[in-house]
Amino acid sequence: NAGVTQTPKFRVLKTGQSMTLLCAQDMNHEYMYWYRQDPGMGLRLIHYSVGEGTTAKGEVPDGYNVSRLKKQNFLLGLESAAPSQTSVYFCASSFGGGIEQYFGPGTRLTVT
Amino acid sequence: EDQVTQSPEALRLQEGESSSLNCSYTVSGLRGLFWYRQDPGKGPEFLFTLYSAGEEKEKERLKATLTKKESFLHITAPKPEDSATYLCAVRPETSGSRLTFGEGTQLTVNP
Repeated sequence: NAGVTQTPKFRVLKTGQSMTLLCAQDMNHEYMYWYRQDPGMGLRLIHYSVGEGTTAKGEVPDGYNVSRLKKQNFLLGLESAAPSQTSVYFCASSFGGGIEQYFGPGTRLTVT
Repeated sequence: EDQVTQSPEALRLQEGESSSLNCSYTVSGLRGLFWYRQDPGKGPEFLFTLYSAGEEKEKERLKATLTKKESFLHITAPKPEDSATYLCAVRPETSGSRLTFGEGTQLTVNP
């Protein structure tokens, strides 16, 4: 099992550009999450999904959109990137709600 | 507001020198407390889940304990490979499936 994988690993964007981060899991988990991690801020939840076709807002959803068209994939989109979105993005998944989450390796995004 | 505070921010130990990391929380009912380990440049790796005061979990040199206000991660006779950032997260009863994370404790174990 690959677990949780994320694509790409690194990306540099210019302000105003758009991009999509892809998260895939092969553990048949129902729940999937997108976090960002910034120095001094800890992990903060952006959006999450409790099953295929569902999405919900987390703590810091502004400027991001998500889609869960297939159970194994969770996409995070930035429509118009801003320097404040420079961060490390982690995807996670869990079998159910409120239990241990399994994280991917992260995507380091820099917006200039 | 739900809060998780980890202390110390950073801790340096000599190999074999046991110590504890603290995770204090203020939540509207605790439905679970989670410990993760994060190595530089990698995603967090799940270690333990604790659900009720008095509960303890162990794995190799690590032991996690839980009270009604805080959790401790005890590290016994640490080795250099235990060096990492340790993250604590809580699931408040009002949060559904969402977790609130602390900022972590960066542990360095010198040989």
